[in-house]
Amino acid sequence: QQQVKQSPQSLIVQKGGISIINCAYENTAFDYFPWYQQFPGKGPALLIAIRPDVSEKKEGRFTISFNKSAKQFSLHIMDSQPGDSATYFCAGSIRGGFKTIFGAGTRLFVKA
Amino acid sequence: GAVVSQHPSRVICKSGTSVKIECRSLDFQATTMFWYRQFPKQSLMLMATSNEGSKATYEQGVEKDKFLINHASLTLSTLTVTSAHPEDSSFYICSAPPGGRSTDTQYFGPGTRLTVL
Repeated sequence: QQQVKQSPQSLIVQKGGISIINCAYENTAFDYFPWYQQFPGKGPALLIAIRPDVSEKKEGRFTISFNKSAKQFSLHIMDSQPGDSATYFCAGSIRGGFKTIFGAGTRLFVKA
Repeated sequence: GAVVSQHPSRVICKSGTSVKIECRSLDFQATTMFWYRQFPKQSLMLMATSNEGSKATYEQGVEKDKFLINHASLTLSTLTVTSAHPEDSSFYICSAPPGGRSTDTQYFGPGTRLTVL
């Protein structure tokens, strides 16, 4: 019920390419969908987030696409750079409830 | 942005000993903090919700007597791993939402790497 499924598990992209990570959720009570970026040995950092009343949100090179009817959302990283190499987690949470359920994570490697 | 710190960043201990990890919100008050555990190459698993002035709420399967949580003030929560064993070795991360439960954003600490020999 609360699971957030994330794919792919790992991703290799050429510098300048587009990285795409997909997530699907089951709990229709989720109303906040953040993406976190985590570097090895560090805590996750909020990258970008979206609410289900919006179909797309863009911040710089990062875009979230949201499909409420399909219960799916994705992260697009445009012009991927080696510095983007990290693990990315999608998540779902319920406003005011604060239980954030994380996806399994995607390890992105951007080749120079 | 809001800053959450953790101390220590790394700790190595012998099996059977207890280890305390601190989580501090440096520039905001946090009535609620969260403790996560992350095994290598895995996702973050919520262990418990720390509430200032009241008992922590533990997730299913987390032993409350083994992982003691104390939310001593509006800026400090501690996690004590009691009688640690090698299987407790993990990356422990705390998070806090600034401004209380009415906000959505959580800020994560840098994590504490626990190794139990």
